[in-house]
Amino acid sequence: NAGVTQTPKFRILKIGQSMTLQCTQDMNHNYMYWYRQDPGMGLKLIYYSVGAGITDKGEVPNGYNVSRSTTEDFPLRLELAAPSQTSVYFCASSRGQTNSPLHFGNGTRLTVT
Amino acid sequence: DAKTTQPPSMDCAEGRAANLPCNHSTISGNEYVYWYRQIHSQGPQYIIHGLKNNETNEMASLIITEDRKSSTLILPHATLRDTAVYYCIVLLPSNSGYALNFGKGTSLLVTP
Repeated sequence: NAGVTQTPKFRILKIGQSMTLQCTQDMNHNYMYWYRQDPGMGLKLIYYSVGAGITDKGEVPNGYNVSRSTTEDFPLRLELAAPSQTSVYFCASSRGQTNSPLHFGNGTRLTVT
Repeated sequence: DAKTTQPPSMDCAEGRAANLPCNHSTISGNEYVYWYRQIHSQGPQYIIHGLKNNETNEMASLIITEDRKSSTLILPHATLRDTAVYYCIVLLPSNSGYALNFGKGTSLLVTP
């Protein structure tokens, strides 16, 4: 199993551009999450999904959109990139049942200039 | 979810036990204690979790006090590869999933 795979690993955007961060998992997990991590800080939850067709906001959802059309994929969309969105983005998945840990991808490092 | 307090940084000599404390004095009866770590530039990695009893796995041991207001993660023989930021998280599982709220954690430096 590859686990949680994120693409791209690095990206530089100009202000106002848009992009989609891809996340896919091959563990048949129902629950998926997007976090961002600013330098020297902990992780903050952006959006999460408890199954295909269901998404919900986390702590910092403004400026982002998500969709969950399949169990495997959970893309994160930035419509109008801003410098405040410069961060490292992590996708994670879990079975979602009691005692199931989160499995994280290795992140996408995004710079908006 | 209850808040947690961890020291910002700790040092440990290679081969010694690393004991990482976490205070969660407002924890409720059904909330679990989870530990994750993040090695530089990588995604967080699950270590261990528990509810009331002490737990042990191949990576670490988790000691939870009887009143559950604090816990300690123990890495029994720390190696240089254990240098990482360690996060203590208290969470009540719900139908909305396992949205973990990470704080700043403890930065553990293992020295030769």
